[in-house]
Amino acid sequence: GENVEQHPSTLSVQEGDSAVIKCTYSDSASNYFPWYKQELGKRPQLIIDIRSNVGEKKDQRIAVTLNKTAKHFSLHITETQPEDSAVYFCAASTSFGNEKLTFGTGTRLTIIP
Amino acid sequence: DTEVTQTPKHLVMGMTNKKSLKCEQHMGHRAMYWYKQKAKKPPELMFVYSYEKLSINESVPSRFSPECPNSSLLNLHLHALQPEDSALYLCASSQLGTPYEQYFGPGTRLTVT
Repeated sequence: GENVEQHPSTLSVQEGDSAVIKCTYSDSASNYFPWYKQELGKRPQLIIDIRSNVGEKKDQRIAVTLNKTAKHFSLHITETQPEDSAVYFCAASTSFGNEKLTFGTGTRLTIIP
Repeated sequence: DTEVTQTPKHLVMGMTNKKSLKCEQHMGHRAMYWYKQKAKKPPELMFVYSYEKLSINESVPSRFSPECPNSSLLNLHLHALQPEDSALYLCASSQLGTPYEQYFGPGTRLTVT
């Protein structure tokens, strides 16, 4: 089955700086790579995802990149703000036929004011 | 309505009790999921229902019994649990074929005494 590794496990950055979280996956059949944000005591929420036929996707201060050959994908947050503090989970899944999402181990991001 | 609801929010039960967790969504999603989440860990998939039929059981002990009475409701029946089953139980739903875009409920915080 799929195995997703995520680094770092904790990350602290000064407000306004950038944060980068990296993931690797094992199953070459995976073709969707979402990122979920879970604030303390809250539910996980999808913030962005990227598909295997796309190398990069941006949404305001958030960007994701995918290197399908190397089986790497990353989350980039620019101009970080205190409300970005949360646990971020990367994940991998295939499309139709397997309704399963495999999560990475999570990164606790702390923004220092 | 883009929300998944779960009841109860908190549950304390003894090892000999029988209780049920409930989940509801009205987004027309035909895939529904149960996850277990321990502190500082990613959600761990337990069960997946597709078109109200159990499609994935991640080798969960039989003291957890899922049920999907209709396309909007998902239950998790609990019996003879162990203290190590204490965790946050999350329900989620998605369109079939898009497991990467899941909507999570707020969870039930379960404590087994």
